[in-house]
Amino acid sequence: SYVLTQPPSVSVAPGKTARITCGGDNIGGKTVHWYQQKPGQAPVLVIYYSNDRPSGIPERFSASNSANTAALTINSVEAADEADYYCQVWVSTTDHVVFGGGTKLTVL
Amino acid sequence: QLQLQESGPGLVKPSETLSLTCSVSGGSISTSSFYWGWIRQPPGKGLEWIGSMSYRGSSYYTPSLKSRVTIAVDTSKNEFSLRLSSATVADTAVYYCARVYSSGWFSDFWGQGTLVTVSS
Repeated sequence: SYVLTQPPSVSVAPGKTARITCGGDNIGGKTVHWYQQKPGQAPVLVIYYSNDRPSGIPERFSASNSANTAALTINSVEAADEADYYCQVWVSTTDHVVFGGGTKLTVL
Repeated sequence: QLQLQESGPGLVKPSETLSLTCSVSGGSISTSSFYWGWIRQPPGKGLEWIGSMSYRGSSYYTPSLKSRVTIAVDTSKNEFSLRLSSATVADTAVYYCARVYSSGWFSDFWGQGTLVTVSS
């Protein structure tokens, strides 16, 4: 089965840049989506089609995808960005969605 | 604005069937661009996709749950449902319903989630 690997945690100081990775076999050949989830809340889509942002998501959020690693980048990190972040892909060989294990972003 | 709301029993006994309904408001469930899906999250753990179905009846399920899962769409009520048979303690989770954009398979609208505990 297809596995997406994320670091359990990432820490960053306010105003700095956070980079959250998502590793998978030839993930660069897939479309990656990213979600933000704050405690007690439902996930919120922050990036779709690998680097598009839904309305209302700040330009500080961007993403990249190449070879075996996708990444979510958050510039000028704010306290409000503290949350869990999940990557997600569609696995066409078995026709189902796979989520990464999630990364807890801590703003120091 | 589209809204989704899960409903159903919060407690299910082991070996019984877990059943949930997702009511959709602010938009029609009979839209060709979207599927309607279920995602769950065990306490303190990550997201797990369960499956999704279109209003026409086309469905996709995660392989590990496929034998126990049924998703159905009721266009007359603008709602869809989840049935998970032979529930075990491992099925205890917050269950989310969501709209899934079929050209990309991302979920752009989510319900608030409902906790289902499997316990005797």
